[in-house]
Amino acid sequence: EPEVTQTPSHQVTQMGQEVILRCVPISNHLYFYWYRQILGQKVEFLVSFYNNEISEKSEIFDDQFSVERPDGSNFTLKIRSTKLEDSAMYFCASSEVSDTEAFFGQGTRLTVV
Amino acid sequence: KNQVEQSPQSLIILEGKNCTLQCNYTVSPFSNLRWYKQDTGRGPVSLTIMTFSENTKSNGRYTATLDADTKQSSLHITASQLSDSASYICVVSPSNDYKLSFGAGTTVTVRA
Repeated sequence: EPEVTQTPSHQVTQMGQEVILRCVPISNHLYFYWYRQILGQKVEFLVSFYNNEISEKSEIFDDQFSVERPDGSNFTLKIRSTKLEDSAMYFCASSEVSDTEAFFGQGTRLTVV
Repeated sequence: KNQVEQSPQSLIILEGKNCTLQCNYTVSPFSNLRWYKQDTGRGPVSLTIMTFSENTKSNGRYTATLDADTKQSSLHITASQLSDSASYICVVSPSNDYKLSFGAGTTVTVRA
């Protein structure tokens, strides 16, 4: 069964460093998303991406964040100059069209120290 | 502001028993409502997805209901198993943007 895969599963980084979280969406999906979940809190929308551009972003997704689809398969989230409060589980998701079921990856646990 | 409220926050049930989780939302206009199961430290996995015109949707022992008039949904788990222990999240998709609105989830613990 096709699935969304994310790497790494766990990333530890020092405050101020840049990190790149990687995702391989399901191959025939056209819409891609990043969400985050701070420990003990609800899942929060960060950004959606379609046709090689951001289609929507939340207030959380400020200039510190960027997304890219560098080739036909990968979808990345870059966090520049990480802060302690960026520590969270980051989930990538993809869907065939915008209004259908979104499939989530297993997440990357980011710990900023 | 689009909101999704779930209750109870957590519950404990004995294996084999049934339980019902509630979801109230203010998202409008809304396109569909989804229930996800999230095991600790894992990504959410879809259980059901219902459009505004559907009243009920089943997936094995999971049955979701939707009342679009009162903006309420429920998820019923029948004959619970230990593997049902997880967080169950109600997610509403607006019809005018891509952001999914997540509830905080109900943590279900099934005990033998």
